[in-house]
Amino acid sequence: DQQVKQNSPSLSVQEGRISILNCDYTNSMFDYFLWYKKYPAEGPTFLISISSIKDKNEDGRFTVFLNKSAKHLSLHIVPSQPGDSAVYFCAARNNAGNMLTFGGGTRLMVKP
Amino acid sequence: EPEVTQTPSHQVTQMGQEVILRCVPISNHLYFYWYRQILGQKVEFLVSFYNNEISEKSEIFDDQFSVERPDGSNFTLKIRSTKLEDSAMYFCASRPDGPYGYTFGSGTRLTVV
Repeated sequence: DQQVKQNSPSLSVQEGRISILNCDYTNSMFDYFLWYKKYPAEGPTFLISISSIKDKNEDGRFTVFLNKSAKHLSLHIVPSQPGDSAVYFCAARNNAGNMLTFGGGTRLMVKP
Repeated sequence: EPEVTQTPSHQVTQMGQEVILRCVPISNHLYFYWYRQILGQKVEFLVSFYNNEISEKSEIFDDQFSVERPDGSNFTLKIRSTKLEDSAMYFCASRPDGPYGYTFGSGTRLTVV
Protein backbone atom coordinates (compact mmCIF):
# COMPACT_ATOMS: atom_id res chain seq x y z
CA ASP A 1 0.00 0.00 0.00
CA GLN A 2 1.82 3.10 -1.24
CA GLN A 3 -0.95 5.67 -1.03
CA VAL A 4 1.30 7.99 0.98
CA LYS A 5 5.00 8.09 0.21
CA GLN A 6 7.95 9.87 1.71
CA ASN A 7 10.72 9.26 -0.76
CA SER A 8 13.58 10.55 1.35
CA PRO A 9 14.36 8.20 4.22
CA SER A 10 16.72 10.74 5.76
CA LEU A 11 17.68 14.40 5.61
CA SER A 12 20.58 16.22 7.21
CA VAL A 13 20.45 19.99 7.74
CA GLN A 14 22.65 22.55 9.47
CA GLU A 15 21.21 24.31 12.50
CA GLY A 16 19.54 27.59 11.53
CA ARG A 17 18.86 26.52 7.95
CA ILE A 18 15.56 25.43 6.42
CA SER A 19 14.43 21.79 6.55
CA ILE A 20 12.06 20.70 3.79
CA LEU A 21 10.35 17.36 4.15
CA ASN A 22 8.32 16.05 1.27
CA CYS A 23 5.35 13.75 0.92
CA ASP A 24 3.43 12.46 -2.10
CA TYR A 25 0.05 10.79 -2.20
CA THR A 26 -2.01 9.00 -4.79
CA ASN A 27 -5.53 8.90 -3.36
CA SER A 28 -7.55 11.93 -4.50
CA MET A 29 -10.10 11.14 -1.77
CA PHE A 30 -7.72 12.37 0.94
CA ASP A 31 -9.08 15.60 2.40
CA TYR A 32 -6.92 16.25 5.44
CA PHE A 33 -3.18 15.96 5.90
CA LEU A 34 -1.11 15.91 9.04
CA TRP A 35 2.54 15.92 10.01
CA TYR A 36 3.80 14.05 13.03
CA LYS A 37 7.16 13.99 14.73
CA LYS A 38 8.36 10.83 16.43
CA TYR A 39 11.21 10.10 18.79
CA PRO A 40 12.36 6.52 19.46
CA ALA A 41 10.18 4.65 21.94
CA GLU A 42 7.54 7.39 21.90
CA GLY A 43 4.27 7.84 20.09
CA PRO A 44 3.87 10.23 17.16
CA THR A 45 3.42 13.86 18.26
CA PHE A 46 1.09 16.02 16.19
CA LEU A 47 2.81 19.01 14.60
CA ILE A 48 0.60 20.67 12.02
CA SER A 49 -2.21 19.86 9.64
CA ILE A 50 -3.83 21.21 6.52
CA SER A 51 -7.22 20.77 4.96
CA SER A 52 -7.46 20.02 1.24
CA ILE A 53 -9.27 23.33 0.71
CA LYS A 54 -6.12 25.24 1.66
CA ASP A 55 -2.66 25.40 0.15
CA LYS A 56 -0.70 26.65 3.14
CA ASN A 57 -0.86 26.53 6.90
CA GLU A 58 1.68 28.09 9.23
CA ASP A 59 2.36 27.58 12.92
CA GLY A 60 5.48 29.20 14.31
CA ARG A 61 8.55 27.65 12.69
CA PHE A 62 6.44 25.04 10.87
CA THR A 63 4.67 25.61 7.56
CA VAL A 64 2.88 22.97 5.53
CA PHE A 65 2.27 23.48 1.81
CA LEU A 66 -0.23 21.48 -0.20
CA ASN A 67 -0.20 21.18 -3.98
CA LYS A 68 -3.36 19.26 -4.82
CA SER A 69 -2.75 19.11 -8.56
CA ALA A 70 0.61 17.46 -7.94
CA LYS A 71 -0.69 15.45 -4.97
CA HIS A 72 2.27 16.70 -3.00
CA LEU A 73 2.75 18.27 0.39
CA SER A 74 5.79 19.54 2.18
CA LEU A 75 6.75 20.58 5.67
CA HIS A 76 9.13 23.50 6.09
CA ILE A 77 10.93 24.06 9.37
CA VAL A 78 12.64 27.45 9.67
CA PRO A 79 15.01 27.85 11.41
CA SER A 80 15.93 24.25 12.10
CA GLN A 81 17.11 23.41 15.61
CA PRO A 82 18.99 20.36 16.94
CA GLY A 83 15.89 19.46 18.98
CA ASP A 84 14.00 19.00 15.71
CA SER A 85 16.04 15.86 15.04
CA ALA A 86 13.47 13.05 14.87
CA VAL A 87 11.51 10.97 12.38
CA TYR A 88 8.77 12.94 10.62
CA PHE A 89 5.67 11.23 9.26
CA CYS A 90 3.09 12.65 6.96
CA ALA A 91 -0.39 11.19 7.22
CA ALA A 92 -3.58 11.60 5.24
CA ARG A 93 -7.22 11.07 6.01
CA ASN A 94 -9.78 9.80 3.52
CA ASN A 95 -12.93 11.90 3.32
CA ALA A 96 -14.97 8.68 3.40
CA GLY A 97 -13.66 7.67 6.78
CA ASN A 98 -11.48 8.83 9.60
CA MET A 99 -8.48 6.53 9.60
CA LEU A 100 -5.02 7.91 8.88
CA THR A 101 -2.70 6.51 6.22
CA PHE A 102 0.94 7.14 7.06
CA GLY A 103 4.00 7.61 4.94
CA GLY A 104 7.16 5.71 5.74
CA GLY A 105 8.82 8.60 7.54
CA THR A 106 11.88 10.78 7.02
CA ARG A 107 14.62 10.91 9.62
CA LEU A 108 15.72 14.52 10.07
CA MET A 109 19.10 15.26 11.60
CA VAL A 110 19.87 18.86 12.46
CA LYS A 111 23.56 19.39 13.07
CA PRO A 112 24.72 22.08 15.51
CA GLU B 1 -1.52 19.13 28.52
CA PRO B 2 -3.96 16.18 28.24
CA GLU B 3 -2.40 12.99 26.99
CA VAL B 4 -3.29 9.49 25.90
CA THR B 5 -1.93 6.93 28.37
CA GLN B 6 -1.00 3.39 27.40
CA THR B 7 -0.11 0.45 29.63
CA PRO B 8 2.02 -1.56 29.79
CA SER B 9 4.91 0.09 27.99
CA HIS B 10 6.37 -3.30 27.17
CA GLN B 11 4.73 -6.73 27.11
CA VAL B 12 6.40 -10.03 26.39
CA THR B 13 4.13 -12.99 25.72
CA GLN B 14 4.38 -16.51 24.45
CA MET B 15 2.97 -17.40 21.07
CA GLY B 16 -0.65 -18.49 21.35
CA GLN B 17 -1.32 -16.50 24.52
CA GLU B 18 -3.91 -13.78 24.83
CA VAL B 19 -2.82 -10.21 25.48
CA ILE B 20 -4.76 -7.09 26.39
CA LEU B 21 -3.30 -3.70 25.67
CA ARG B 22 -4.79 -0.82 27.59
CA CYS B 23 -5.33 2.81 26.76
CA VAL B 24 -6.88 5.78 28.50
CA PRO B 25 -7.85 8.30 25.80
CA ILE B 26 -8.26 12.02 26.46
CA SER B 27 -11.50 12.44 28.36
CA ASN B 28 -13.49 14.65 25.98
CA HIS B 29 -12.41 12.84 22.84
CA LEU B 30 -14.99 10.90 20.87
CA TYR B 31 -12.99 8.87 18.36
CA PHE B 32 -10.55 6.15 19.38
CA TYR B 33 -8.01 4.23 17.35
CA TRP B 34 -5.42 1.53 17.43
CA TYR B 35 -2.41 1.62 15.13
CA ARG B 36 0.68 -0.52 15.04
CA GLN B 37 4.22 -0.21 13.73
CA ILE B 38 6.25 -3.30 13.03
CA LEU B 39 9.96 -2.56 13.42
CA GLY B 40 11.26 -0.78 10.33
CA GLN B 41 7.83 -0.49 8.72
CA LYS B 42 5.07 2.10 8.42
CA VAL B 43 2.56 2.99 11.07
CA GLU B 44 -0.53 0.99 10.09
CA PHE B 45 -4.17 1.54 10.94
CA LEU B 46 -5.92 -1.28 12.79
CA VAL B 47 -9.31 -0.07 13.94
CA SER B 48 -11.38 2.99 14.79
CA PHE B 49 -14.10 3.14 17.42
CA TYR B 50 -16.89 5.66 17.81
CA ASN B 51 -20.12 5.71 19.75
CA ASN B 52 -19.32 2.35 21.35
CA GLU B 53 -18.81 0.47 18.14
CA ILE B 54 -16.18 -0.19 15.51
CA SER B 55 -16.48 2.35 12.70
CA GLU B 56 -13.64 1.12 10.49
CA LYS B 57 -11.14 -1.69 10.52
CA SER B 58 -8.27 -2.75 8.33
CA GLU B 59 -7.46 -6.14 6.86
CA ILE B 60 -4.98 -6.63 9.69
CA PHE B 61 -7.80 -6.50 12.24
CA ASP B 62 -9.02 -10.07 11.82
CA ASP B 63 -10.99 -12.31 14.18
CA GLN B 64 -8.01 -12.57 16.52
CA PHE B 65 -8.39 -8.89 17.42
CA SER B 66 -11.11 -7.18 19.40
CA VAL B 67 -11.59 -3.79 21.03
CA GLU B 68 -13.64 -2.70 23.96
CA ARG B 69 -14.44 0.42 25.92
CA PRO B 70 -15.59 -1.30 29.09
CA ASP B 71 -16.10 1.60 31.48
CA GLY B 72 -16.23 4.87 29.56
CA SER B 73 -12.58 5.70 30.15
CA ASN B 74 -10.45 2.70 29.18
CA PHE B 75 -10.07 1.51 25.60
CA THR B 76 -8.55 -1.95 25.17
CA LEU B 77 -7.15 -4.01 22.34
CA LYS B 78 -7.23 -7.77 22.81
CA ILE B 79 -5.30 -10.25 20.72
CA ARG B 80 -6.72 -13.70 21.41
CA SER B 81 -3.93 -15.97 20.23
CA THR B 82 -0.75 -14.08 19.54
CA LYS B 83 1.53 -14.90 16.64
CA LEU B 84 5.18 -14.03 16.17
CA GLU B 85 4.22 -11.52 13.49
CA ASP B 86 2.08 -9.60 16.00
CA SER B 87 5.31 -8.28 17.54
CA ALA B 88 5.15 -4.52 17.06
CA MET B 89 4.62 -1.18 18.75
CA TYR B 90 0.92 -0.66 19.29
CA PHE B 91 -0.30 2.92 19.49
CA CYS B 92 -3.62 4.10 20.79
CA ALA B 93 -4.92 7.46 19.55
CA SER B 94 -7.95 9.64 20.15
CA ARG B 95 -9.41 12.84 18.80
CA PRO B 96 -12.35 15.15 19.46
CA ASP B 97 -15.09 15.84 16.93
CA GLY B 98 -14.04 18.11 14.06
CA PRO B 99 -10.88 18.58 11.99
CA TYR B 100 -8.36 18.22 14.77
CA GLY B 101 -5.13 16.34 15.10
CA TYR B 102 -5.14 12.87 16.49
CA THR B 103 -3.32 12.51 19.80
CA PHE B 104 -1.24 9.36 20.12
CA GLY B 105 -0.11 7.54 23.23
CA SER B 106 3.52 6.56 23.74
CA GLY B 107 2.82 2.98 22.70
CA THR B 108 3.08 -0.57 23.99
CA ARG B 109 5.91 -2.66 22.64
CA LEU B 110 4.55 -6.19 22.22
CA THR B 111 7.09 -8.96 21.84
CA VAL B 112 5.78 -12.42 21.00
CA VAL B 113 8.28 -15.21 21.65
